[in-house]
Amino acid sequence: SQTIHQWPATLVQPVGSPLSLECTVEGTSNPNLYWYRQAAGRGLQLLFYSVGIGQISSEVPQNLSASRPQDRQFILSSKKLLLSDSGFYLCAWGRITGVGEKLFFGSGTQLSVL
Amino acid sequence: SQKIEQNSEALNIQEGKTATLTCNYTNYSPAYLQWYRQDPGRGPVFLLLIRENEKEKRKERLKVTFDTTLKQSLFHITASQPADSATYLCALPNNDYKLSFGAGTTVTVRA
Repeated sequence: SQTIHQWPATLVQPVGSPLSLECTVEGTSNPNLYWYRQAAGRGLQLLFYSVGIGQISSEVPQNLSASRPQDRQFILSSKKLLLSDSGFYLCAWGRITGVGEKLFFGSGTQLSVL
Repeated sequence: SQKIEQNSEALNIQEGKTATLTCNYTNYSPAYLQWYRQDPGRGPVFLLLIRENEKEKRKERLKVTFDTTLKQSLFHITASQPADSATYLCALPNNDYKLSFGAGTTVTVRA
């Protein structure tokens, strides 16, 4: 069966510090991978998605970047965090069905930038 | 612009009653719509997918309807239980087939 791992669960970082969040998927190959951010009381905002190694699409211009160095590894990074980067970050992989794509999410990282 | 709107108010219901959640959308022409459940501090979990040509879909105590004319989906939890307490999100594919999510409706079921 497929599993998705995301860490850390909680992170408190000062403004201006770097960020690296990692996500790995097991049990499937060449998955579509996604990074979403969820602000309190808001919907999930799609940040990046990837259809393969080294292929990254950005949905929203911002202070963050993503990389996919291996088939089942997706990394979210920032060189210098801003207060506005605080939020709940979710990694997901997509299972393509005959109708559309179902998403399977990791447990999330709560990031607080102080 | 594209918009997905869910009940902004939290829903508090008595155990055993039916909870009905609404998802309205504008400027989408979705081939399907999905519902997810999210518990506090956790990632969303897929519940149901309903296609544009399906009026209704059921899974155990869950029932989803999809009216493409009204641009609305209703999500029902029948015979609700305290374990059903969570936030429920609807999601639609946008023009490049990536899922966009509503802000969710929080349901609390009182014993």
